Amino acid sequence: DGGITQSPKYLFRKEGQNVTLSCEQNLNHDAMYWYRQDPGQGLRLIYYSQIVNDFQKGDIAEGYSVSREKKESFPLTVTSAQKNPTAFYLCASSIGPGPQHFGDGTRLSIL
Amino acid sequence: QQQVKQSPQSLIVQKGGISIINCAYENTAFDYFPWYQQFPGKGPALLIAIRPDVSEKKEGRFTISFNKSAKQFSLHIMDSQPGDSATYFCAASKSNTGNQFYFGTGTSLTVIP
Repeated sequence: DGGITQSPKYLFRKEGQNVTLSCEQNLNHDAMYWYRQDPGQGLRLIYYSQIVNDFQKGDIAEGYSVSREKKESFPLTVTSAQKNPTAFYLCASSIGPGPQHFGDGTRLSIL
Repeated sequence: QQQVKQSPQSLIVQKGGISIINCAYENTAFDYFPWYQQFPGKGPALLIAIRPDVSEKKEGRFTISFNKSAKQFSLHIMDSQPGDSATYFCAASKSNTGNQFYFGTGTSLTVIP
């Protein structure tokens, strides 16, 4: 079955630590996205990538970094510079303009 | 600022009733308007979508009504069922600018048996 796999499902971060969230897709989609979801705020775009080796900042990129070395993979690093990282993180992909398909998310909490 | 405004924040409907969720936008360049359904602990799933060249789209019990002049669109769930209890998000995008979606803040729907 084609889809988007996010791992881990739950992640805990210590103060001053960087953590990386994994996102893999086997849909052969060119574009991939990372969103942050907080209660009552909807989904906010962190980064997106339309092709391999290229990505753009979204509305809330500060404290986050990404890479896109392979078409099927778009990992997100939450750096220690992100002072309020507790949230539900969602990865999505799409074929150019059109509907975005989402993974089942990673919930990040602070220890 | 919020590019897409969604209301209500929460909604309680009796089984068999009609659930209505509304969204409004300002940017007339938006040309794709999807609705997503999200269950707890899961990612959003595309429910139904519309483009501004039509005023209504129906898929089963779900209908989108689109009012281009008012810059509003709404989701109607007919014969609401307890299994429809979820959070619903509207979104808007401009297809010629990197497919960036702008999401509403979500509506938590509870259908009472």
